[in-house]
Amino acid sequence: GAVVSQHPSWVICKSGTSVKIECRSLDFQATTMFWYRQFPKQSLMLMATSNEGSKATYEQGVEKDKFLINHASLTLSTLTVTSAHPEDSSFYICSWVSRYDGYTFGSGTRLTVV
Amino acid sequence: AQSVTQPDIHITVSEGASLELRCNYSYGATPYLFWYVQSPGQGLQLLLKYFSGDTLVQGIKGFEAEFKRSQSSFNLRKPSVHWSDAAEYFCAVGDEQAGTALIFGKGTTLSVSS
Repeated sequence: GAVVSQHPSWVICKSGTSVKIECRSLDFQATTMFWYRQFPKQSLMLMATSNEGSKATYEQGVEKDKFLINHASLTLSTLTVTSAHPEDSSFYICSWVSRYDGYTFGSGTRLTVV
Repeated sequence: AQSVTQPDIHITVSEGASLELRCNYSYGATPYLFWYVQSPGQGLQLLLKYFSGDTLVQGIKGFEAEFKRSQSSFNLRKPSVHWSDAAEYFCAVGDEQAGTALIFGKGTTLSVSS
């Protein structure tokens, strides 16, 4: 089955620094992928939709200058949380979608900003 | 607007008893429907999905779900719950052929009592 690698699985950073999260499809290619955020004991909230070669589309309320998405290829996308603050602490999950493999999720990244 | 409603925030079931988790959806087109399970601090695991065909779908770990178009529902069931089933369960709707993002319900926390 389709496999997605998401790194790091957890990261602690100081307030004001930037953190990059990588999401890579290992055995399939897909044009479209998504970034979700999940606060403790809450559901997954869609942050943005990204298509390879295009600028990401952000959901209402998500700051595009704070959450930078680089969709470099059909197998790699990164999410950079810039100037992180404690309120950005959350669980970030990436997902790819393809007609052949459906939706595939990364294992998530736990970000803690101190 | 597309949405998923999981009316039950928290359910407690005795080990060995049957389980039903409710899910109602609102979607413009014929949806793909999903149930995922998430253990604390972990990523998502797909239990089952439905798009067409038999309205009773079998999944992993002994779970099944029934699609009822007239009720816009996709309830998850298990005849006999095990203590290891305690987790968070999410119903989701999307369209993997169109490549749209999955929209998640708020989730239902399942506790299993002995």
